[in-house]
Amino acid sequence: EAGVAQSPRYKIIEKRQSVAFWCNPISGHATLYWYQQILGQGPKLLIQFQNNGVVDDSQLPKDRFSAERLKGVDSTLKIQPAKLEDSAVYLCASSSLAGENEQFFGPGTRLTVL
Amino acid sequence: KNQVEQSPQSLIILEGKNCTLQCNYTVSPFSNLRWYKQDTGRGPVSLTIMTFSENTKSNGRYTATLDADTKQSSLHITASQLSDSASYICVVSAGGYNKLIFGAGTRLAVHP
Repeated sequence: EAGVAQSPRYKIIEKRQSVAFWCNPISGHATLYWYQQILGQGPKLLIQFQNNGVVDDSQLPKDRFSAERLKGVDSTLKIQPAKLEDSAVYLCASSSLAGENEQFFGPGTRLTVL
Repeated sequence: KNQVEQSPQSLIILEGKNCTLQCNYTVSPFSNLRWYKQDTGRGPVSLTIMTFSENTKSNGRYTATLDADTKQSSLHITASQLSDSASYICVVSAGGYNKLIFGAGTRLAVHP
């Protein structure tokens, strides 16, 4: 079974530029999550999708971050414009159902904002 | 406020030695607790899951314990190997919609 795929793996941009990350979850997984992991900290949930609907985006900085999962499969996370403090690893995870199911994580995208 | 605290922040041990990592949580309603291993440059991978009624669970050289009364968990690693070098993250599920509360992790380094 293929795991969660993310691209790119690394991205370096200057502040005020825009950037987009892509995630393809495990086939058949209805729930998709985007996390931000700052160095030395645990992941922080940015947004959770159930199919193509948003379940929780309470910690998403909506003035600069946006995410979509239009067909209920893959998803993109965008930052526009980026700030220095956005430097982090962005992890995508998926699970088969909302509830007490294991989340499977992708390798992450390491973003550096200069 | 839902919180998960882990200790120590970092740990260095020699290959072959045992170690124990700690996790304290204040999460309500509690659903389950997982320990994840995160290798450098990779996403976290689940090692164990424990529900309210479970006190201990093993996965090879990894043994997790849970005390739901004191809201504490530990992860014991036996006969450590170099490949155990990683961050170990305690994650508590706050019932419904699989909302996970992450600890900051313990960074373990196993030296030869």
